[in-house]
Amino acid sequence: SQELEQSPQSLIVQEGKNLTINCTSSKTLYGLYWYKQKYGEGLIFLMMLQKGGEEKSHEKITAKLDEKKQQSSLHITASQPSHAGIYLCGADSGGSNYKLTFGKGTLLTVNP
Amino acid sequence: ETGVTQSPTHLIKTRGQQVTLRCSSQSGHNTVSWYQQALGQGPQFIFQYYREEENGRGNFPPRFSGLQFPNYSSELNVNALELDDSALYLCASTLGQRGEQFFGPGTRLTVL
Repeated sequence: SQELEQSPQSLIVQEGKNLTINCTSSKTLYGLYWYKQKYGEGLIFLMMLQKGGEEKSHEKITAKLDEKKQQSSLHITASQPSHAGIYLCGADSGGSNYKLTFGKGTLLTVNP
Repeated sequence: ETGVTQSPTHLIKTRGQQVTLRCSSQSGHNTVSWYQQALGQGPQFIFQYYREEENGRGNFPPRFSGLQFPNYSSELNVNALELDDSALYLCASTLGQRGEQFFGPGTRLTVL
């Protein structure tokens, strides 16, 4: 079965600093999804990457997919307290049903 | 706001009891997936329903069962509750079998 490893597990940054979160898959990635979750709440969709080398940006968040390395990275530029939360990567298994396998998440704290 | 709602928000049960959790998908979304998220972990896929039929199941025992209704609502039933069933239960709806999954806010289940 597919496994996703996220690093780091937690991250504390000062407001205004840049940061990167990584997600590495044990198997080929057919689709990689990034979600944000506030503690104990539902997941908010951030971005979906499907092709090797694909890069998407939304406001100050950029995600890239390196298909050969079976890895994705999420980069936040000039972090703000509103970026705080748990970031989860999820991978599409590519099977007949649309099942997502998630990493354990990265807890981001942004100090003002 | 994802347009997906779940009820109840919180629930406390005792070991051995049965519980039903409810989810209302976005209108027109004919696929619903259920996930279990233990504290400090990423969501784990329980099962998926497509057009009212089970369309894939994760590594969960048969005491986890579900239903999907024509009005885009669905249920997750768990029998013979165990302490390890304590978790946040998330439903996610999708238009068609593949696409962006819209998550609900979750139901926090505590088993004592």
